[in-house]
Amino acid sequence: AQKVTQAQTEISVVEKEDVTLDCVYETRDTTYYLFWYKQPPSGELVFLIRRNSFDEQNEISGRYSWNFQKSTSSFNFTITASQVVDSAVYFCALTFPPSGGSYIPTFGRGTSLIVHP
Amino acid sequence: KAGVTQTPRYLIKTRGQQVTLSCSPISGHRSVSWYQQTPGQGLQFLFEYFSETQRNKGNFPGRFSGRQFSNSRSEMNVSTLELGDSALYLCASSLDYNSPLHFGNGTRLTVT
Repeated sequence: AQKVTQAQTEISVVEKEDVTLDCVYETRDTTYYLFWYKQPPSGELVFLIRRNSFDEQNEISGRYSWNFQKSTSSFNFTITASQVVDSAVYFCALTFPPSGGSYIPTFGRGTSLIVHP
Repeated sequence: KAGVTQTPRYLIKTRGQQVTLSCSPISGHRSVSWYQQTPGQGLQFLFEYFSETQRNKGNFPGRFSGRQFSNSRSEMNVSTLELGDSALYLCASSLDYNSPLHFGNGTRLTVT
């Protein structure tokens, strides 16, 4: 069975602090895809990044960076110098190629990030 | 390019009634999936349609159904509403299973 665990339910930081959101996944598949999404208070989830299981390169995009480690089944997300606009719920998700025509994407429970001015 | 559009934004229904939610995907996206979001259960996958065929289904009772039209627009229906069906229902479209999901703003359903 596939599983995504985001152990941090809520994180509260002060603006300009760095913050890391953890994501641990479980799957027996060797080919899979990991995603991060952001859900601001307006409600619409926004795609941030995708990683496939064969690409362990870390990625940096502005203040955002992602650390993918297959050895620990983790795909962590770091925001450097956080800003109030980063306040949102962040979801980690796992999908994999259809098997017999079926697959079910799995989302973590989400981490609510609150950035105080 | 227009994003994913969901209608209506808000709905209030009574137990026992049925409801239909609509979703218009991004042009060119053939995969449309539906999710239920509640504070207690998080984001739960309902089903996914690809080229008018239901390709995947989550663990929800048969009261939850959907369909996809030839223009990729999708509808979701919930019959015999229960209080526990109160949730934010999100629709997402994508090119395929390994592509990023593009979500709509959701339909907030309240069952009284």
